[in-house]
Amino acid sequence: EVQLGQSGAVVKKPGESLRISCKGSPHSFTDHWIAWVRQMPGKGLEWMGIIYPDDSDTRYSPSFEGRVIVSADKSISTAYLQWTSLRASDTAMYFCARLVGSSSYLDSWGQGTLVTVSS
Amino acid sequence: QSALTQPASVSGSPGQSITISCTGTSSDVGSYNLVSWYQYHPGKAPKVLIYEVRERPSGVSIRFSGSKSGDTASLTISGLQAEDEADYYCCSYAGTSTWVFGEGTKLTVL
Repeated sequence: EVQLGQSGAVVKKPGESLRISCKGSPHSFTDHWIAWVRQMPGKGLEWMGIIYPDDSDTRYSPSFEGRVIVSADKSISTAYLQWTSLRASDTAMYFCARLVGSSSYLDSWGQGTLVTVSS
Repeated sequence: QSALTQPASVSGSPGQSITISCTGTSSDVGSYNLVSWYQYHPGKAPKVLIYEVRERPSGVSIRFSGSKSGDTASLTISGLQAEDEADYYCCSYAGTSTWVFGEGTKLTVL
């Protein structure tokens, strides 16, 4: 069974930077895209973007382009979601998930990382 | 890129069947047979129920089924059980390496 482990909940202030992580087994990362999904408080799931850790090819949803940075370190089977300047509106639960590319669905999900941005 | 339209809530009694609709456009649901459905119990990781409109991953109950007509996909849950009470999301490929989720539907088992 594929398992993705995410970093723990964090509390940050507006304007601060942050990087959260998603670690899988080498098998779970190789030849797969990793997606990031946001869920704001009381709202639905939103597709943020995907990365192919093997070569760090990255695709962003238009709503998130320029707002976040998705990266990966293939050598440690870890994907990252990064902000350079957080806003209160970034407060949300963030999930990583593995994309089965040929069929376009997310077959394994991390447990989520709660990011709270508050002054 | 707008979220796919789902009813905010549906309900049913144990043993009954319910259907959740997911309406998109000719640019997403209508163009690709790449609709998936997820069950989400808050506090847990979402779980895929259906992919490619009607395919069930191994281990998913046959009580869950999917279909599509035009720009609208549907998830049907038969033989409702208390454990089915959760939030349900559809998701569709929308071209050029983009995907879009539905707004989400809260299922209440009466």
